[in-house]
Amino acid sequence: EAEVAQSPRYKITEKSQAVAFWCDPISGHATLYWYRQILGQGPELLVQFQDESVVDDSQLPKDRFSAERLKGVDSTLKIQPAELGDSAMYLCASSSYTHEQYFGPGTRLTVT
Amino acid sequence: GESVGLHLPTLSVQEGDNSIINCAYSNSASDYFIWYKQESGKGPQFIIDIRSNMDKRQGQRVTVLLNKTVKHLSLQIAATQPGDSAVYFCAEKDTGRRALTFGSGTRLQVQP
Repeated sequence: EAEVAQSPRYKITEKSQAVAFWCDPISGHATLYWYRQILGQGPELLVQFQDESVVDDSQLPKDRFSAERLKGVDSTLKIQPAELGDSAMYLCASSSYTHEQYFGPGTRLTVT
Repeated sequence: GESVGLHLPTLSVQEGDNSIINCAYSNSASDYFIWYKQESGKGPQFIIDIRSNMDKRQGQRVTVLLNKTVKHLSLQIAATQPGDSAVYFCAEKDTGRRALTFGSGTRLQVQP
């Protein structure tokens, strides 16, 4: 069964450092999402791609966060500089023409 | 979304009993709803979905009920098993958007 892949699974970084997360969606899925999930809460959308284009980044803190999906396949989310409040689970999801979104295992980020 | 911090509402049931998890939503424009199951350290896993033109949908051991009049969604799990222990999130999609808005979760604990 096809799955969304994410790496790394866990990342510990010091504040003010740069950190990057990678996501490989299910093959053929044109839509890719990055969500942030704080412990005990539901995921919140950071950015949504349709192929290589950003269609919604209204909740992305653009002063420190950036996301790209250059070839419309895999995607990278970057934080620079990381802050203590960025500690969370970063989830990637993908979908095809249907509404159903499939989530990856997430990257657990701890900023010290 | 409203924060519930680390203190998720918890539903504790006996193995074999039926479970009902409730969710309220506020967006009248939502046209699609999903229930996700999230185990510790993992990404959300799709359980069942329902469109706004339906009021009930059944899957294997699960049923989702939608009451648009009072903006309420419920997930019923029949013959609850220990493997059903997890946090359950409802999510909604607004007409014209593909990203999901997640509600606050409910922790289901199944007692053997």
